[in-house]
Amino acid sequence: QVQLQESGPRLVRSSETLSLTCSVSGAPIGGYFWSWFRQPPGKGLEWMGWIFYTGSTNYSPSLKRRLTLSVDTSKSQVSLRLSAVTAADTAMYYCARVRGYSGYEALFYFDSWGLGSLVTVSS
Amino acid sequence: QSVLTQPPSASGPPGQRVVMSCSGSGSNIGSNYVHWYQVVPGAAPKLLMYRNNQRPSGVPDRLSGSKSGTSASLVISGLRTEDEADYFCAVWDDSLSGVVFGGGTKLTVL
Repeated sequence: QVQLQESGPRLVRSSETLSLTCSVSGAPIGGYFWSWFRQPPGKGLEWMGWIFYTGSTNYSPSLKRRLTLSVDTSKSQVSLRLSAVTAADTAMYYCARVRGYSGYEALFYFDSWGLGSLVTVSS
Repeated sequence: QSVLTQPPSASGPPGQRVVMSCSGSGSNIGSNYVHWYQVVPGAAPKLLMYRNNQRPSGVPDRLSGSKSGTSASLVISGLRTEDEADYFCAVWDDSLSGVVFGGGTKLTVL
C-alpha cells in the first residue's frame, strides 16, 4: 500500500520560499502523477498542481507564477517550492497520488494522501 | 469563494441517512466526473467516491454518489459516529483548466 509523507520547515518568513518534500513508499513513483494541495486554517482544500514522474507539470493558474514542482525518482520524492510567500500561504500542505490516464486530466482523482505538513508564514 | 457550492454543515443521529450536495456549472460538474474526499483532523484525507459513483476498495456500500446536470450528491446511510468529518467534492473545470473543490460540508453525528 502506497504511503506518502510530507516534510519540511514548519515556519517560513514572509517573502521567502516555502519548500516541502513528499516521500513515497510502498509503491513505485514511476508511472504516476503526483499532486499537491493545501488547506488554510478553517478553509477548504485547494489544488496546487501535479507532476508526472517524467517531470511534466501542470500548475493551478492562481499559483503558476510562484510554484515549482520537481521529482527525484531515485529517491522516490516529489518536491514543492512556493516563492514570495505571505500570510495567506499559511496552510496544511498535502501530497497525493493521482489516478487516471495521461492526457485525460479531466478524469484524474487522488487515491492516496499524506498526513500533511502544517506551514506557518511569519512576518 | 469556492467554485463549487456545498452547504457548510449537515447533521443527523446515528443510523440516519444524510445527503450532502455539491453544485457547480457546465464547465465543471456539467462536463466532468465528480469525486468526493473525507478530511478528518490529524488524518490523511481519504478518497470516498470517484467518477461520480465509484467506491474505492474499503469504502462501505452505505456510501453512494450520484450526479445530475450541474449538481452532485454524496449519500451516507446508517450514520456512524466515525463519519464525523469534513466532506469535499472536487472536479476538473474546463474553463479554469484545473481541479476545483467545494468549500466543504462539516458532518456532525448527533
